[in-house]
Amino acid sequence: NAGVTQTPKFQVLKTGQSMTLQCAQDMNHNSMYWYRQDPGMGLRLIYYSASEGTTDKGEVPNGYNVSRLNKREFSLRLESAAPSQTSVYFCASSDTLQGGGGYTFGSGTRLTVV
Amino acid sequence: AQRVTQPEKLLSVFKGAPVELKCNYSYSGSPELFWYVQYSRQRLQLLLRHISRESIKGFTADLNKGETSFHLKKPFAQEEDSAMYYCALLKGGGATNKLIFGTGTLLAVQP
Repeated sequence: NAGVTQTPKFQVLKTGQSMTLQCAQDMNHNSMYWYRQDPGMGLRLIYYSASEGTTDKGEVPNGYNVSRLNKREFSLRLESAAPSQTSVYFCASSDTLQGGGGYTFGSGTRLTVV
Repeated sequence: AQRVTQPEKLLSVFKGAPVELKCNYSYSGSPELFWYVQYSRQRLQLLLRHISRESIKGFTADLNKGETSFHLKKPFAQEEDSAMYYCALLKGGGATNKLIFGTGTLLAVQP
């Protein structure tokens, strides 16, 4: 099983450019999440989706949009990238209908905005 | 406000020494707590959850509601334990629950 797959693994953007980070899971999980990981700040939740067709803001949603395309896929879009969005982005999924907290994470996307 | 605090950014110990990674939480209600680990160049993975009361790779963690703590312990550290460890608190209920992570502690086990 692939688990949670994220693409791309690395990306460099210029300030103002846009891009979409892709995430797909093959575990039939209902919930999916996007986190960013920054030194000294741990993982902070950007957006999450409790089920297909629903999305909600997390702790740091500004500058991002998301789409839960179907049960498998949850994408994160940066419309106009800023240097403050330089980070490592992790997608995760969870079967919250069977109890929460056991997340499966992707391998991450390292994004640099110059 | 719900919050997870990991006071140590770095914990360095020698192989064979005991390890205690500290985690304190703030939560109104009955907390569900977890430890996640990220080895070098690997993805974040679940280490253990308090409701399971399990021991994984020799690590244990006991929920102390009086001290609002969930410290991770191992009696004898191994070099392969070197990694970033995150304590996390489950917030919300049902399908909308989500994890709040601490800032992480880097464990370095010296030979």
